[in-house]
Amino acid sequence: DAGVTQSPTHLIKTRGQQVTLRCSPKSGHDTVSWYQQALGQGPQFIFQYYEEEERQRGNFPDRFSGHQFPNYSSELNVNALLLGDSALYLCASSLEGIREYTEAFFGQGTRLTVV
Amino acid sequence: AQSVTQLGSHVSVSEGALVLLRCNYSSSVPPYLFWYVQYPNQGLQLLLKYTSAATLVKGINGFEAEFKKSETSFHLTKPSAHMSDAAEYFCAVRGSNAGKSTFGDGTTLTVKP
Repeated sequence: DAGVTQSPTHLIKTRGQQVTLRCSPKSGHDTVSWYQQALGQGPQFIFQYYEEEERQRGNFPDRFSGHQFPNYSSELNVNALLLGDSALYLCASSLEGIREYTEAFFGQGTRLTVV
Repeated sequence: AQSVTQLGSHVSVSEGALVLLRCNYSSSVPPYLFWYVQYPNQGLQLLLKYTSAATLVKGINGFEAEFKKSETSFHLTKPSAHMSDAAEYFCAVRGSNAGKSTFGDGTTLTVKP
């Protein structure tokens, strides 16, 4: 089991550009959550996808959007990049929709640098 | 609503000394609580979790944490620090089985030889 995999691992973009980050969840998981971790801070929740729909959203502008595919993988898209979008973007997968608690597993993250 | 406060952004201990990292939480529903460790340029690794079972939770690498509802705390401890414990530690709260986790700002643990 490869666990949660994210691609790419590092990315450099210019202000105003658009970026797409990808996440493959752990085998058997159906839910993907995205977090932004700025340098020296804790992860901040962006949104969560379940059954191909955005189920919850944090306090992030509409420039941040996502998608979940039928195979449960997910993409995070950020438009009109700002310098402040530079951060480590973490994907977490879990199995939801059941009563019992299940652990969320995190990927290694994508380091986005906006110049 | 849920929130986490980690007291002390930097903690320094000597190798072999007790490690104590503090976490206080706020949650409008019975919480799930977590401690994660993050090494430089890596993702988050779960150390331990509280899910309304035993209040004293044992995790990996010799870490443990005690859930104290009356104090709304979930402090992380380890009896004897090792050099390899030097990392960033995050406390997180989750208000339900599903949904987002809210993280603290992290505590950087330094272990001196």
